[in-house]
Amino acid sequence: GEDVEQSFFLSVREGDSSVINCTYTDSSSTYLYWYKQEPGAGLQLLTYIFSNMDMKQDQRLTVLLNKKDKHLSLRIADTQTGDSAIYFCAERFSFSGGYNKLIFGAGTRLAVHP
Amino acid sequence: GAGVSQSPSNKVTEKGKDVELRCDPISGHTALYWYRQSLGQGLEFLIYFQGNSAPDKSGLPSDRFSAERTGGSVSTLTIQRTQQEDSAVYLCASSTQGGETQYFGPGTRLLVL
Repeated sequence: GEDVEQSFFLSVREGDSSVINCTYTDSSSTYLYWYKQEPGAGLQLLTYIFSNMDMKQDQRLTVLLNKKDKHLSLRIADTQTGDSAIYFCAERFSFSGGYNKLIFGAGTRLAVHP
Repeated sequence: GAGVSQSPSNKVTEKGKDVELRCDPISGHTALYWYRQSLGQGLEFLIYFQGNSAPDKSGLPSDRFSAERTGGSVSTLTIQRTQQEDSAVYLCASSTQGGETQYFGPGTRLLVL
């Protein structure tokens, strides 16, 4: 089945690293995504990783993928107050005809405090 | 270039009324998706359009919900006889066919009183 799970809340001190975790159930997913949603805004794509990769780094963001355990994590280095938002993990399933379906987790609320 | 736009940004309606929500995808994107985000929840897939193919309506929660996509571009999500449980943020996304990424609009916040 298709299911994505995330912890509900994470609080970190400004300047520390944040690690947001996600588990998924279906190994046939092709891409895994991290989206950021600030209050009152839509979803902003942060980064994504192809399912045959283990790690991807993009500036302050590091994505780690453990396919055996179906575990995805997002590490934010030097967390800033502007990083406070809800972070959604999503897995993508591809179907014939170019149809892609995203299954989202419920989101992790990251609070950054001084 | 312009991203995905949605209108209205906010909508307050009375229970039992019909509402229409609009989505303008990124120019050239053939795939269009509607999602619903209820308070404190993740995104729930509603419907998918791809080019001239028949839409995937498997996520629509009831027959009060329908969507159209005219000319392969603009889409309208219609909710008939709204109920309080329809209150949510309705998000639209678009992508190229087989594209890696879905780009989201800012959403329409619907409140049914």
